[in-house]
Amino acid sequence: SQTIHQWPATLVQPVGSPLSLECTVEGTSNPNLYWYRQAAGRGLQLLFYSVGIGQISSEVPQNLSASRPQDRQFILSSKKLLLSDSGFYLCAWTDQAGGYEQFFGPGTRLTVL
Amino acid sequence: EDQVTQSPEALRLQEGESSSLNCSYTVSGLRGLFWYRQDPGKGPEFLFTLYSAGEEKEKERLKATLTKKESFLHITAPKPEDSATYLCAGREKGGGNKLTFGTGTQLKVEL
Repeated sequence: SQTIHQWPATLVQPVGSPLSLECTVEGTSNPNLYWYRQAAGRGLQLLFYSVGIGQISSEVPQNLSASRPQDRQFILSSKKLLLSDSGFYLCAWTDQAGGYEQFFGPGTRLTVL
Repeated sequence: EDQVTQSPEALRLQEGESSSLNCSYTVSGLRGLFWYRQDPGKGPEFLFTLYSAGEEKEKERLKATLTKKESFLHITAPKPEDSATYLCAGREKGGGNKLTFGTGTQLKVEL
């Protein structure tokens, strides 16, 4: 069966510091991968998605970037965090060859102070 | 612009009091309507996918239905453990299998 991991679970960072969040998927090959941000009381905002290694599509202009160095690994990064980067970050995957449901990881709670 | 709107924003029910949550969408070329359950501090958990108007799916006390303009999540005889935020999302036409999410309905079921 497939599982998705995210780490760290929680993170508190000062403004201007770098960021690296990691997501890995097990039990599937060549998945589509997604990064979302969920602000308090708001819906999920799609930040990036990837259909393959090295292929990244950005949905909104922002202070963040994404990379996919391996088939089942998706990384969200920033060189200098802003207060507005605080939120709940979720990684999701979907099977390109199967259904269209997206399956989510446990999330990372990021607080920028 | 694709939009998904959920109502009500919050709903408080007594245990056993059935109700429905609404999800209306204006997603061009909709290619699927998805329902998720999200508990506080956790990632959303997939519940249902609906593709065609008239389609219905059930799981325990939950039933999801779809029309040409909206979807309903019916909750029959809810229990306190059904308390959660319920999210719906529309799948857009085009590549990447992208979903547009609503802001959710926060459901609280009380004894």
